[in-house]
Amino acid sequence: DVKVTQSSRYLVKRTGEKVFLECVQDMDHENMFWYRQDPGLGLRLIYFSYDVKMKEKGDIPEGYSVSREKKERFSLILESASTNQTSMYLCASTGPPGGITNTGELFFGEGSRLTVL
Amino acid sequence: GNSVTQMEGPVTLSEEAFLTINCTYTATGYPSLFWYVQYPGEGLQLLLKATKADDKGSNKGFEATYRKETTSFHLEKGSVQVSDSAVYFCALRVSGTYKYIFGTGTRLKVLA
Repeated sequence: DVKVTQSSRYLVKRTGEKVFLECVQDMDHENMFWYRQDPGLGLRLIYFSYDVKMKEKGDIPEGYSVSREKKERFSLILESASTNQTSMYLCASTGPPGGITNTGELFFGEGSRLTVL
Repeated sequence: GNSVTQMEGPVTLSEEAFLTINCTYTATGYPSLFWYVQYPGEGLQLLLKATKADDKGSNKGFEATYRKETTSFHLEKGSVQVSDSAVYFCALRVSGTYKYIFGTGTRLKVLA
């Protein structure tokens, strides 16, 4: 089974702190995603990475950066956390179209609930 | 543009009732369609999917049919259980891309 693991399920940080959210997948997927989930807004894409060291901005990249130094690991960084970044953060991955590891869907981690005080 | 619209919740049903959660979409080309389920405190899990018109996805008693003529992918289950209580998300993947569009989610509560 594909497994996407997010390092922290619950975090509490203070305004201005630097926050790292880590995500690791074990299915050799090229594509990894960071979403933010808020009530009534569904999932919004923060950043997408289609290869090591490659990234694209999603719909709400402001205040976030990402790092993909290894294929299996995709990190989300909040350089200076703010209260409006309190949210559930979801990491996901998928393989290339037509590849044996991809049947089209995203595989999600269990989420990291961040509270910024 | 591309979008997914699903019915607002919460939906509250008695055990063994029939469930329908409506989902319609707007997309260019031929998107793949998905239903995901999120149990409390967890991430999203794929429930079912359909990749072309008239495909029916099914899993755990849930079904949805890809209707291109009505741009819909409604989720149905004939007899819900308390354990089906969760948030359900309809989603599409834009054809030829890695862009996924999610609905806002529908919370289902099933009472014993």
